[in-house]
Order: sequence, then structure tokens, then C-alpha cells
Amino acid sequence: EPEVTQTPSHQVTQMGQEVILRCVPISNHLYFYWYRQILGQKVEFLVSFYNNEISEKSEIFDDQFSVERPDGSNFTLKIRSTKLEDSAMYFCASGKSTAMNTEAFFGQGTRLTVV
Amino acid sequence: ILNVEQSPQSLHVQEGDSTNFTCSFPSSNFYALHWYRWETAKSPEALFVMTLNGDEKKKGRISATLNTKEGYSYLYIKGSQPEDSATYLCAFLSSNTGKLIFGQGTTLQVKP
Repeated sequence: EPEVTQTPSHQVTQMGQEVILRCVPISNHLYFYWYRQILGQKVEFLVSFYNNEISEKSEIFDDQFSVERPDGSNFTLKIRSTKLEDSAMYFCASGKSTAMNTEAFFGQGTRLTVV
Repeated sequence: ILNVEQSPQSLHVQEGDSTNFTCSFPSSNFYALHWYRWETAKSPEALFVMTLNGDEKKKGRISATLNTKEGYSYLYIKGSQPEDSATYLCAFLSSNTGKLIFGQGTTLQVKP
């Protein structure tokens, strides 16, 4: 069964360093998302991406964050200068159409720890 | 601010018990309500996407109902099994945005 895969599963980085979280969405999906969950808190929306551009982003997704689909298969989230409060589980998701019509398929997540 | 609340936060039941939990969401600008099942160390897995008031959906022993006018959805599990142990997340979608707003989840523990 097709699935969304994320790498790495766990990333430890020093404060101020750049990190890139990678995702391979399901191949015939067109909509891509990043969500995150800080330990003990709700899953929060970060950004949605369609047709090679951001379609929506939350207030969390500031200038330190960027997304890219560099080669038509990978979907990456970059955090330029990590802060302690960026420590969270980051989930990538993809969908055939918008979340209005179909479910989103989630990856297993990357646990980012900023020290 | 759109807020989605789930209750209870956690639940412990015995194998064979039936159980249910609630998701409350804004009743205005409703478009869809998603339910996900999230087992530890796995990815959240979609259970249902519900769009119509009065909708009832079923998958095996799990079913869900939807009331968009009062802003709630119930998830029912009949005859709980240990493998049902997971966190159940609901997520609300408003009519003018494509982003899912998640509740905090209900963590279910089924004891054999």
C-alpha cells in the first residue's frame, strides 16, 4: 500500500543550525502539507502546498521556514535557524485533492530536538 | 480563533467494553470533519471524512456520527479490543480554508 515516508525519523540539532526535513508523498497526490506537534500539545497546521507553490500557511510558518518540491517527488521543510521552541514532531501529509474532499495521508513523522 | 475540543482526554476500558468520545467544533463555516487513528510510533491513519449533517459512518466496530448544527461528532467503538488502543484525533475543516484544525485527541487504552 502506498505510504508517505519521512526522513530522518529523529534529528537532533544545535540551536541556530539549519535543518531540512524530508518527505516523499504518495506518488499520484497533488496536495502536500506539513503539520507539527509540540509534546503534549495539539497537532498544528504549518503549511499547504499545491502546484509548486504555497497555498496556505499559518502564523507559525514565519520567515525561518520554507518548503520546496525540488525534484517532483521529495517535499522538504527547511528551518533556517532553529530555536529551542522548534522542538516537535513534524508530520508531512499528502492528499489526492484538497482536505475538503478526501483524507490526508500522514507520514510517521520526524522528531526534531533542538538543543 | 477556530477551536476543536475532544473529550475525554484519556480513557481506560476493559476488553469487550463499548466506548465513545466527543469532538466539538465551530458550527459556522463547516465543511468537513475528519477522524484519525494514531497508534504510537505510527502515522495518523484516516478513519472517516464526514461532510453532511446527520452523517453516520462505520468501519468494522468503529462508527461516527455528525451534528454540524450544534458542532459535535461522536466516535463509537463497539466491543473494544487491545488493538484499538491509540489516540483518536478529530480535525475540523472550515469552508474557507484547506487546513485541518486538530483537537488534542482522546487516548484510549484497552486492557485485556
